[in-house]
Amino acid sequence: GAGVSQTPSNKVTEKGKYVELRCDPISGHTALYWYRQSLGQGPEFLIYFQGTGAADDSGLPNDRFFAVRPEGSVSTLKIQRTERGDSAVYLCASRQGTGGTGELFFGEGSRLTVL
Amino acid sequence: GQQVMQIPQYQHVQEGEDFTTYCNSSTTLSNIQWYKQRPGGHPVFLIQLVKSGEVKKQKRLTFQFGEAKKNSSLHITATQTTDVGTYFCAGVSSNFNKFYFGSGTKLNVKP
Repeated sequence: GAGVSQTPSNKVTEKGKYVELRCDPISGHTALYWYRQSLGQGPEFLIYFQGTGAADDSGLPNDRFFAVRPEGSVSTLKIQRTERGDSAVYLCASRQGTGGTGELFFGEGSRLTVL
Repeated sequence: GQQVMQIPQYQHVQEGEDFTTYCNSSTTLSNIQWYKQRPGGHPVFLIQLVKSGEVKKQKRLTFQFGEAKKNSSLHITATQTTDVGTYFCAGVSSNFNKFYFGSGTKLNVKP
């Protein structure tokens, strides 16, 4: 596609439920990042994929958070047993793996609200 | 761990006034990038600085990277209402694995 696509744009769920957020990066971008942004804060790193593998998942806050990228393109961020503190905008970004300027291309984000 | 601090948190200016935001890292950075996020939008890349002491200009925007590669600044000359948004710096690791974003400076421009 033309840009990074994220779905859903908005998700309201109840505490304790399971949530999946999807990211479709720019075609050909091998690097994919997930960030979380709370109101008035900068994006907080969660996980980075190079191809299919999670090259760095040190930003995942706990084991309720998990992300996959099985075919090296689309990625899914999975949150189990959601808590109110998980409410935030989840941003996905992709980057051309080699060459390019090194810039991140962000999607519009998925706003998660946990009631 | 890596920390990137940004000041000020907010800046309100009259249209035509200048604006500067500052970014400081606790460690030496490989590269630094700047992004702009419009209200309700997502971060959009502005520029990347790589070399010590580097200065780059984009029309009314001037970006600097400190000699020690631990600080950076963005200066906007003669602000316009289209400059409204939050400006983030991001320290970048040498292998581009991690981008450490500052907390941002929110700019409001009064017409």
